[in-house]
Amino acid sequence: EAQVTQNPRYLITVTGKKLTVTCSQNMNHEYMSWYRQDPGLGLRQIYYSMNVEVTDKGDVPEGYKVSRKEKRNFPLILESPSPNQTSLYFCASRPYLDKPYEQYFGPGTRLTVT
Amino acid sequence: GESVGLHLPTLSVQEGDNSIINCAYSNSASDYFIWYKQESGKGPQFIIDIRSNMDKRQGQRVTVLLNKTVKHLSLQIAATQPGDSAVYFCAENIGRYGGATNKLIFGTGTLLAVQP
Repeated sequence: EAQVTQNPRYLITVTGKKLTVTCSQNMNHEYMSWYRQDPGLGLRQIYYSMNVEVTDKGDVPEGYKVSRKEKRNFPLILESPSPNQTSLYFCASRPYLDKPYEQYFGPGTRLTVT
Repeated sequence: GESVGLHLPTLSVQEGDNSIINCAYSNSASDYFIWYKQESGKGPQFIIDIRSNMDKRQGQRVTVLLNKTVKHLSLQIAATQPGDSAVYFCAENIGRYGGATNKLIFGTGTLLAVQP
């Protein structure tokens, strides 16, 4: 089954404790991205990657890091989480050129930073 | 369920009625628009799309209308069912179609509540 998976689905942590949210897709998509979703603000892009070893900042990159060492994986790293990073996070992937708007979203990760 | 549904405008309809969800977009240069459905606890799911050179597109039980003059998009759902209950939001594409730097800008969404 074609899908995007994220882990963990729920995470409660404390300020300053480094964490990683994993994302994996099995559709051989070149393009992957991370979004955060907050009430009243819609989805906002954090980082995106057009292919292996190619990443770039989205609209709200501060406090986040990403890496793309393999095509299928795109982890989101919070080196020193803060309470304002409490949010619902989605990973998404899509083909680079063919049907470029058919983004496939993961199930989401609910992060709470206390 | 997830708190994404809070603070959103809500449309409440009776099962079997037609639903119309509206969206205003911001960029007159946007060339492509998409409607997503997000059920509680899940990621957004593609419903239907429309290019800017069209004003109407139909899918299965859904129709999207585009009015570029007033930068307005609507999603019509025929014979609404309880399974249609979800948050619906539109997205506009900025950037050349198929280009490497095209980007989706998402709306905040409308909560559709279907009453049995």
